[in-house]
Amino acid sequence: DVKVTQSSRYLVKRTGEKVFLECVQDMDHENMFWYRQDPGLGLRLIYFSYDVKMKEKGDIPEGYSVSREKKERFSLILESASTNQTSMYLCASSKQGENTQYFGPGTRLTVL
Amino acid sequence: AQSVSQHNHHVILSEAASLELGCNYSYGGTVNLFWYVQYPGQHLQLLLKYFSGDPLVKGIKGFEAEFIKSKFSFNLRKPSVQWSDTAEYFCAVNALSARQLTFGSGTQLTVLP
Repeated sequence: DVKVTQSSRYLVKRTGEKVFLECVQDMDHENMFWYRQDPGLGLRLIYFSYDVKMKEKGDIPEGYSVSREKKERFSLILESASTNQTSMYLCASSKQGENTQYFGPGTRLTVL
Repeated sequence: AQSVSQHNHHVILSEAASLELGCNYSYGGTVNLFWYVQYPGQHLQLLLKYFSGDPLVKGIKGFEAEFIKSKFSFNLRKPSVQWSDTAEYFCAVNALSARQLTFGSGTQLTVLP
């Protein structure tokens, strides 16, 4: 089974802090994705990566950056956290050429 | 750009009732279509998917969906729901030229025992 893990289930940070969310997948997938999930808005794509050191902006990249130094790991970075970034963050991965995405358990981030 | 509409935000049914959740997408080309489910406290998991072939797709737990190309729809159905089907359901579409999925806003299904 594909396994996607995220470093924290719950995280509380203060406004202005730098926040790192880590995601690791164990199925050698080329594509990795970061979404945020908000009530009534569904999942919105922040960034995705289709190869090591490659990244592409999704629909809502403002205020976020990403890093993919190794194939299995994809990090989401909030350079200076703000209260409107309080949300559930979901990581997903998929194999190149297959569009089924597999999701991690999510990180619920609260920014105070 | 592709978009997905799920018209029902919250559906409440009694056990044994039939279910149909609507999903419409806007994209003129060839697409892959998905339904994902998120049970309370669990991560998002794939319910079923359509890539090509028979437009009636069967998934896990007795769910099925029908792709109607002329209506740009991919509605999810189940003949008889159970209390354990209480969850949030997301429709998603992927244009074949793209790597990413576009998700609808989700439908919360509550099944009353």
